[in-house]
Amino acid sequence: GAGVSQSPSNKVTEKGKDVELRCDPISGHTALYWYRQRLGQGLEFLIYFQGNSAPDKSGLPSDRFSAERTGESVSTLTIQRTQQEDSAVYLCASSARSGQGTGELFFGEGSRLTVL
Amino acid sequence: GESVGLHLPTLSVQEGDNSIINCAYSNSASDYFIWYKQESGKGPQFIIDIRSNMDKRQGQRVTVLLNKTVKHLSLQIAATQPGDSAVYFCAENGGSSYKLIFGSGTRLLVRP
Repeated sequence: GAGVSQSPSNKVTEKGKDVELRCDPISGHTALYWYRQRLGQGLEFLIYFQGNSAPDKSGLPSDRFSAERTGESVSTLTIQRTQQEDSAVYLCASSARSGQGTGELFFGEGSRLTVL
Repeated sequence: GESVGLHLPTLSVQEGDNSIINCAYSNSASDYFIWYKQESGKGPQFIIDIRSNMDKRQGQRVTVLLNKTVKHLSLQIAATQPGDSAVYFCAENGGSSYKLIFGSGTRLLVRP
């Protein structure tokens, strides 16, 4: 597609359930990012992929959070045993640059997660 | 940890006036800065960026100023329009080649 696509756009789940959020980056973009945005706040870095490898997972809040990327394309962010504090918009971004400076990140519209 | 902060959480301006959104950053290792605009329900959208070897960079109706001495960044929007109403985020790279650290954002409201 022309831009970064994320699904689902909205997800309501019960506390304790697992959720999977999907990101389709712009074709050819080697770098992929996940950020979390709580209501009224800035973007919190979660994880960075270069190709299928994740050299920086430092932002993942706990071991309940994991992410993978396959085919240097689609990425999935999984949250296990969701808690109410996981409620947020999860934003995915991709970038064409590779170790040459951050450059412009292209963001998707996010997946809004609500944990009841 | 390192953080980027903003002086004004909400800025209200008259349509047609110029807007100035300010941002303070804390990491002296940062050498790349970027401004994003986020409209309600959408992902952030790139506005303009600047590297630390520059003090000023201009785009279409926007100018970014960087003062490394006081670790201050500003975004100037000329002739502000209703479509400029959004939340604006500054971000720094903290010296990283790949990561951006975002501030908490400033909401710009444009009065007709």
